[in-house]
This record gives sequence, C-alpha cells and structure tokens, in this order.
Amino acid sequence: EIVLTQSPGTLSLSPGERATLSCRASQSVSSSYLAWYQQKPGQAPRLLIYGASSRATGIPDRFSGSGSGTDFTLTISRLEPEDFAVYYCQQYGSSPRVTFGGGTKVEIK
Amino acid sequence: QVQLVQSGAEVKKPGASVKVSCKASGYTFTSYGISWVRQAPGQGLEWMGWISAYNGNTNYAQKLQGRVTMTTDTSTSTAYMELRSLRSDDTAVYYCARDDDDGMALWGQGTLVTVSS
Repeated sequence: EIVLTQSPGTLSLSPGERATLSCRASQSVSSSYLAWYQQKPGQAPRLLIYGASSRATGIPDRFSGSGSGTDFTLTISRLEPEDFAVYYCQQYGSSPRVTFGGGTKVEIK
Repeated sequence: QVQLVQSGAEVKKPGASVKVSCKASGYTFTSYGISWVRQAPGQGLEWMGWISAYNGNTNYAQKLQGRVTMTTDTSTSTAYMELRSLRSDDTAVYYCARDDDDGMALWGQGTLVTVSS
C-alpha cells in the first residue's frame, strides 16, 4: 500500500509569503496520478492540481505543483488571505486505488 | 449545473446501518466513477472505495471490506454507499466525489453521520 507523508504538519506564514508543501510517497507514484486538494472548514475538498503539475479549472496560477517518483511539492507563490486552509496530496491509480496524505495546515502567522 | 447532491445528516446507534445517497446532475453519469471519502471530526481524508457508474465494478478500501457496499442506480443518476455494523469511530462527514482520470474535481456537499448510543 502506498503511504503519503506530508510535511510540515503546520506552516505559519504571512500573506504575500511563499508556501512550499511537501508530499513524500512510500513507493514511486506515477506523476500522472498525483493530485493536490485544498480544504477550508466546513467545505468539501477542492481540486487544485492533477497529474502532479496541471492546474485544475479555475485555479489561480500562484498555485503550482512539481515533482516525480516519491517526492512532490505544492508551491503557493504569494499567499492570499483565502489560501489559508488545509492541503492534501493524493495518489490515484495504484493499489489501493486512492490514498491521501495526512494534510498540511497553512495558518496565518 | 454540474453537481453532486447528497442526502441529509443521519444519527445511528452502534451496530446499525446507514445508506447515503449522492445524486448527480449536469453530466453523463455513466461516463465516470464515484469515490466515497470520509472525514472524522478534526481528522484527514480517508478514501472508502470506488464504483464505476458504467458497469458497477467496485474497489473498496481493505479496512472496510465486508462492511461497505457501493451501488448505483443509472435510471436516477444516483450513487449509494451503505455502511453496516456502525461503530462510534464511523462518526464522520461522508463525501461522494466524481472520480476522473484527472483527480476528483466534483464533490458532494458532505453528509454527517453520527454514531451514538
């Protein structure tokens, strides 16, 4: 089973700063099947990035994804007030079909 | 518009079963699969399983094998998730999501299931 480990658990930053979130897999993940989601309190997750680096429809270009193999990164170039939330990485396609990371909370410093 | 609308909150006693529905609209239901994802209070996302709306094939998380059943009704474009032998640690918000080859871009609003004696 593929385990996804996200770090850090919490990231304390100010608006305008750059956020770098990490997702490490216990075994190689096809880049085609690595996604990132944003979740705000009381809301369903929102797809940000799929295929490791492709932005989903309507996602601002300050969000970018990169990586391959076992190491993936979500970067938010300049944090806007609405970006403070919890972020999850997800692999899909390998057995089990879907796995989520434990999440990184981006909070206001 | 394109959306998934889930059934309302449920309160169940330990040992009971719950069945949550997820009605799709605005797209061809049988062209996509549906995944079910749950989130316990204050916790992360847990994938429960997937069903093909095309042919009914399923793939369940090993942890829930034997307790969960996912079905679809193509005549009403509705997916169902039934969880049996409920325990207190099944208390969670349950989401359905359209499972695309490019991730899960469409989610239901979530259904809170509370298991309490």
